[in-house]
Amino acid sequence: ETGVTQSPTHLIKTRGQQVTLRCSSQSGHNTVSWYQQALGQGPQFIFQYYREEENGRGNFPPRFSGLQFPNYSSELNVNALELDDSALYLCASSLSSGTGGELFFGEGSRLTVL
Amino acid sequence: EDQVTQSPEALRLQEGESSSLNCSYTVSGLRGLFWYRQDPGKGPEFLFTLYSAGEEKEKERLKATLTKKESFLHITAPKPEDSATYLCAVQAGVSFQKLVFGTGTRLLVSP
Repeated sequence: ETGVTQSPTHLIKTRGQQVTLRCSSQSGHNTVSWYQQALGQGPQFIFQYYREEENGRGNFPPRFSGLQFPNYSSELNVNALELDDSALYLCASSLSSGTGGELFFGEGSRLTVL
Repeated sequence: EDQVTQSPEALRLQEGESSSLNCSYTVSGLRGLFWYRQDPGKGPEFLFTLYSAGEEKEKERLKATLTKKESFLHITAPKPEDSATYLCAVQAGVSFQKLVFGTGTRLLVSP
């Protein structure tokens, strides 16, 4: 059973650029969530995808967008990067979109915005 | 607004010195309380889910308990490899899986 994998592991961008982060969910999991973790903070919920549709969103602006593909893999896109977007971006997958399920996280993508 | 507060922020223990980490929460309709372990530069590793007050779960040297207002992670006779940041999160009564995390407790266990 493969776990959650994310790419790239590290990347550096400049302010105003756009970035795409990728995630392959754990085998058999149909729900993917994305979290942002700033240094020294806990992860913050960005959004969740279930059956290729966004079905929940946190307090993040529209320049944060995502996709989920038929194989349940996912992308996080961030446009017009700002310095405060520098963080560890975590993808998590689970068996169902409902409440109470366990989330399993990937190792994250470390984004630095200069 | 759902909120999670963890204490202490940092904890230094000697190997074998047992202690507890605290997670206080306010949430409208708790669906689950989660504990994760996070090593530096890595993603959170799932430890436990607790669903109702009075519930307890154990894994090796770790034991998690839950009341209506807080959860404790008890560490018995810790070893240096238990050094990590321990994160607590709650899932509220919404239709999707949004976890609200605390800022974590950084645990350092010295040999």
